[in-house]
Amino acid sequence: DAGITQSPRHKVTETGTPVTLRCHQTENHRYMYWYRQDPGHGLRLIHYSYGVKDTDKGEVSDGYSVSRSKTEDFLLTLESATSSQTSVYFCAISESTGGAVEGYTFGSGTRLTVV
Amino acid sequence: KQEVTQIPAALSVPEGENLVLNCSFTDSAIYNLQWFRQDPGKGLTSLLLIQSSQREQTSGRLNASLDKSSGRSTLYIAASQPGDSATYLCAERPEADRGSTLGRLYFGRGTQLTVWP
Repeated sequence: DAGITQSPRHKVTETGTPVTLRCHQTENHRYMYWYRQDPGHGLRLIHYSYGVKDTDKGEVSDGYSVSRSKTEDFLLTLESATSSQTSVYFCAISESTGGAVEGYTFGSGTRLTVV
Repeated sequence: KQEVTQIPAALSVPEGENLVLNCSFTDSAIYNLQWFRQDPGKGLTSLLLIQSSQREQTSGRLNASLDKSSGRSTLYIAASQPGDSATYLCAERPEADRGSTLGRLYFGRGTQLTVWP
């Protein structure tokens, strides 16, 4: 989607290796989110950010860390990848106007396979 | 913990039919509810957003309704077309986020819709 890109689009990695996924936005939105999508579970929130260096945990944060050193970039790191982290990862951005959250924009996703 | 359920999980209809997708949530303390569309291998596209104070929203052939007291939302698609084939997801934003500009979403598992010519 225009304004938000995820990289890489696909990745295969071995169990125990560190992996970093990148989300880049050009919309200057304040809020950024990482979700994972799995069959039988739908999308679940991993971590989110409400500003540079401001992050917090979502529903399924164990095994993941995030960093946001610039407004435009939100990185998701799997410290030591496990097979249970095989999933499709989506980044999303949102903004607020007058106190109301505007609509979300989702990236196209990163398909991660841990073997 | 809020649970969001979507029924049916899959639906296959001929072109031209009117159809209803269902979404239910266990905790009526929601701030708003959104419907998204997801095409295979793609991200999510927002379709409609209903605030907790509203009963319905319309966009073209789509109409979404919200009944907080019963914990239900429906997405009505009129005169379905093959191009409507996709997975439709509903997501709620919790009341706990009211007053905050943070927008965490809790998703259902989706309804996979196929419209055949």
